[in-house]
Amino acid sequence: EAQVTQNPRYLITVTGKKLTVTCSQNMNHEYMSWYRQDPGLGLRQIYYSMNVEVTDKGDVPEGYKVSRKEKRNFPLILESPSPNQTSLYFCATTVGAGYNEQFFGPGTRLTVL
Amino acid sequence: GEDVEQSLFLSVREGDSSVINCTYTDSSSTYLYWYKQEPGAGLQLLTYIFSNMDMKQDQRLTVLLNKKDKHLSLRIADTQTGDSAIYFCAERGGYQKVTFGTGTKLQVIP
Repeated sequence: EAQVTQNPRYLITVTGKKLTVTCSQNMNHEYMSWYRQDPGLGLRQIYYSMNVEVTDKGDVPEGYKVSRKEKRNFPLILESPSPNQTSLYFCATTVGAGYNEQFFGPGTRLTVL
Repeated sequence: GEDVEQSLFLSVREGDSSVINCTYTDSSSTYLYWYKQEPGAGLQLLTYIFSNMDMKQDQRLTVLLNKKDKHLSLRIADTQTGDSAIYFCAERGGYQKVTFGTGTKLQVIP
């Protein structure tokens, strides 16, 4: 079954404690991205990756890092989380051709106290 | 940068038609999309339209595109309670860059 998985699904943490949200896909897609969803703001792109070892900033990259060492994985790293990073995070992958449907993971709800 | 706007909320009665509207600013958009987000889940693609089309129909869904006014709409015929969700408009501009709207929460009243 084609899947995008994210872990953890829910996380409560404290300011400054480094955390990683993992994203994995089994569809062999080249393009992956991270979004955050906030009420009234819709989805905003944090980072994206067009292929292994190729990453670039989206619209709201401050406070986040990513890596793409393997095609299937695209972890999101918060080195020093702050309360304004409390949000719902989605990983998405795209096949990279045609109409480019994006396949979304189930989301990670992060609360930073 | 690109901007995509939607109204935040729409309420309709079961069996009526719903029309969700969206405006965008990027004149170089190639594809425009409608995604559906059910509670506690990620987004799923509902339908899409290529920018050289005016209309696309898919069962109960009708997408209208007015490229001159940069206006996109989604009509859901015979709206059901299962259609209650948040609907996101999105547009694809430059290579792989997709911009999402704020989302419209559709409430279907039985």
